Amino acid sequence: AQSVTQLGSHVSVSEGALVLLRCNYSSSVPPYLFWYVQYPNQGLQLLLKYTSAATLVKGINGFEAEFKKSETSFHLTKPSAHMSDAAEYFCAVSDVRGYIPTFGRGTSLIVHP
Amino acid sequence: KAGVTQTPRYLIKTRGQQVTLSCSPISGHRSVSWYQQTPGQGLQFLFEYFSETQRNKGNFPGRFSGRQFSNSRSEMNVSTLELGDSALYLCASSFDSPGANVLTFGAGSRLTVL
Repeated sequence: AQSVTQLGSHVSVSEGALVLLRCNYSSSVPPYLFWYVQYPNQGLQLLLKYTSAATLVKGINGFEAEFKKSETSFHLTKPSAHMSDAAEYFCAVSDVRGYIPTFGRGTSLIVHP
Repeated sequence: KAGVTQTPRYLIKTRGQQVTLSCSPISGHRSVSWYQQTPGQGLQFLFEYFSETQRNKGNFPGRFSGRQFSNSRSEMNVSTLELGDSALYLCASSFDSPGANVLTFGAGSRLTVL
């Protein structure tokens, strides 16, 4: 069975500050990992995905995530937050056997001017 | 390229009624999955359809059902609505690729049960 834990239901940063959203996963086999973002009144859209090609994955809008097997983590970062980054962020895990990813509970990113 | 289209976007029902939600996937996507999103429970998987067959199912009561048509369009139905069914229902479509399966979501149908 797979699971995802996102630490912190809300993260608040100032505009221009570092964004760090935490995700830890549990999987009995090598995982595929995803970050999705949901803007208000919209569905989720893919930010980035890890498929074992490289441990540091770059996504859209300046976000990146690093896969750390020893820590079973896949934290999402962005060097400088922008007001437009305010949204809900979801981490998800799947494996080679599964078609349906398991989603975390989500982290709401709040960006202050 | 058109995205995933969900209709209706908003609807209000009363307890005991039933509701049908529709999802048109991206052209060429054969898998359609449905999720319920609420503030308290987050994103919960309802079911997934592929080639008109339910391939995966989440842990929801039988009041929640779905189907997929030959053109991959999908509908979900909730019968005997309860207040707790108020939620955003999201549909997602994808190619049939296990593992690194990227989902493309629609904007959702927001259901309010009074």
